[in-house]
Order: sequence, then structure tokens, then C-alpha cells
Amino acid sequence: AVQLTQFPSSLSASVGDRVTITCRASQGLGTALGWYQQRPGKSPQLLIFDASNLQSGIPSRFSATGSGTDFTLTISSLQPEDSASYYCQEFNTYPAFGGGTRVEI
Amino acid sequence: HVQLQESGPGLVKASETLSLTCSVSGFSINSGYYWGWVRQAPGKGLEWIGSIYLTGFTYYNPALESRVTVSLDTSTNHFSLDLKSVTAADTAVYYCVRDTNYRTGWYFDVWGRGTLVTVTS
Repeated sequence: AVQLTQFPSSLSASVGDRVTITCRASQGLGTALGWYQQRPGKSPQLLIFDASNLQSGIPSRFSATGSGTDFTLTISSLQPEDSASYYCQEFNTYPAFGGGTRVEI
Repeated sequence: HVQLQESGPGLVKASETLSLTCSVSGFSINSGYYWGWVRQAPGKGLEWIGSIYLTGFTYYNPALESRVTVSLDTSTNHFSLDLKSVTAADTAVYYCVRDTNYRTGWYFDVWGRGTLVTVTS
């Protein structure tokens, strides 16, 4: 099974900061990777699909790049409502998630 | 507007079977897509459990496969999860989800609100 390693596991930043989260896969995924946001006490929400495509309704301050084994999620200007945990997810033989990154403001 | 709603007991005794149902509204599960379950233990990350297609085809997380059954009922537009022989490690918030295929991958684009299931001794 593919292992997804996210780093950092947590970070603290200020409103307006640029934030980058990394997800590294144990084997190549092409561009088949997604990102989710989970606000405290809420269900996860799909932000990004196919490595770099913004899901409908997601603010444009979110962007993502990557292919193969290395992927990044960037928040260009951190907002208070972005305080959440972020997870990467792949589907090789079956769906699997990274361990998550908690973003605190 | 697709909505998913989990239902089932919030407490299950150890060694018994956890059973949850997900009601789908705003969309007919007869129309396609895979439908599945994801869980999250308190303070932990996300773990996919299993999914089912309208044909009845299922696939499961290998770590849970021996204990899991996902089924669907197209006449009532809901799908279900049974997890047998539960232990304290199965205490989690259980989410029902829709699996969607985008250009290169599969993702969970619709989520229920989740339901907390606690395994008691």
C-alpha cells in the first residue's frame, strides 16, 4: 500500500501569511492526489482534486502542485477560517490518507 | 444538492456488531457513483473503511476487510455499514461519503455530518 507522509504535522501562522503543506508518497501517483480541509468539529471538505485542480466553491487563495511522489498545498494569504486540519489522499489500490497537518492561527 | 445523513446507535458493546445507515437525499444512488464509509478516531486522522457501487460491487480496507460489510438498498436510497467484533479501537466518528472519479483519481466529494460511535465494555 502507498504511504502518504505529510509535513509539518502542525504549524502556527498569522493572518495574511503564506502557508505551504507537503505530502510525500512512498511510490509514484502521477497526479492522482487530493487535498481536504477539516475545520474543528466539522466533516472534511474536498479542496483539490487531481493534484492541482480547485474544487468548485473553494477560494482561489488555495492552490496545489505536484506529481509523482511530491505534492504541496499552498494557502496564499491565510484567513481566520483556514484554521483547520488538512489531509492529502490518494487512491492506488484503495483510498488512503496522509496523517494530517493542523494549521493554527 | 446531494446530502448524506448517518444514523445508528451511539453506543455498541465490545465484541458486538456496529451497524450504521446512510440516507441519501437529492440524488438517486441508482444513478451511479460509489458510496462508502470513512472513520476518524478521537484526535486522530481519517481512515477509509469500504465502498460499494450500485451493482453491489464492494471493496474494503484490507486492515478491516475480515470484519466489514457495506451494502446498499436502492429502493430506499440508502446504504449501510456493518462492522463486527468491535473493540475500543473502533470508537470513532463514522462518516458516509460519495466516491467520485475525476480525471486521474478517486475522491470523496460529498460527506455526511458524521456520527460518533463509542464501544463500551
